[in-house]
Amino acid sequence: QEQLVQSGAEVKKPGASVKVSCKASGYTFTDYYIHWVRQAPGQGLQWIGWINTNSAAANYSQNFQGRVSMTRETSISTAFMELSSLTSDDTAVYYCARGRGGRAPGSVWGQGSRVTVSS
Amino acid sequence: QSVLTQPPSVSGAPGQRVAISCTGSRSNIGAGYDIHWYQHHPGTAPKLLIYGNTHRPSGIPDRFSASKSGTSASLAITGLQAEDEADYYCQSFDSSLTSVVFGGGTKLTVL
Repeated sequence: QEQLVQSGAEVKKPGASVKVSCKASGYTFTDYYIHWVRQAPGQGLQWIGWINTNSAAANYSQNFQGRVSMTRETSISTAFMELSSLTSDDTAVYYCARGRGGRAPGSVWGQGSRVTVSS
Repeated sequence: QSVLTQPPSVSGAPGQRVAISCTGSRSNIGAGYDIHWYQHHPGTAPKLLIYGNTHRPSGIPDRFSASKSGTSASLAITGLQAEDEADYYCQSFDSSLTSVVFGGGTKLTVL
């Protein structure tokens, strides 16, 4: 069964960083991109970026340029998304999703990781 | 403000048909990039309903259909059921932003 399992909830203080993981199983990890999408309370879905799990190349939304870093560890079929300089506006549920390429997240999503930024 | 514009809400009675529009521009839908539709129940992961403008993944009932024309797209749901009550998002790619873009989302209420 193809699935993505994400790390648990995090509570961070303003100015800190958070690193969320996304472990793939049931398919060849490097055959697909991993996209990251978030939903803040009361808001819609917002695309953060993607990582090409084969080459490690990444592409980030302009909204997060300079604050986000996406990496992967192929030996454990896991992708990571690190977001720095957190503010309360970063409080959200963060999802990873598997995509065939860089233009759409696709049909397999992680369960979501709640990140709360609070002093 | 989203690059793709959706109505904030739509509603319909059980058994009825509703449609959700998604309006873009020449740098996304109008440029020929595919439209995808997601259903999102709060607290769960988004679910892919339609990919490649009109195609349903396996397991998605044919009550869900979609179309695309010019700089707009539309999702139709027939035979409304209580479990269809959710948020719906269109998604495409924008060449000006070189970015995946989502619509602002439409909340479907089944009366």
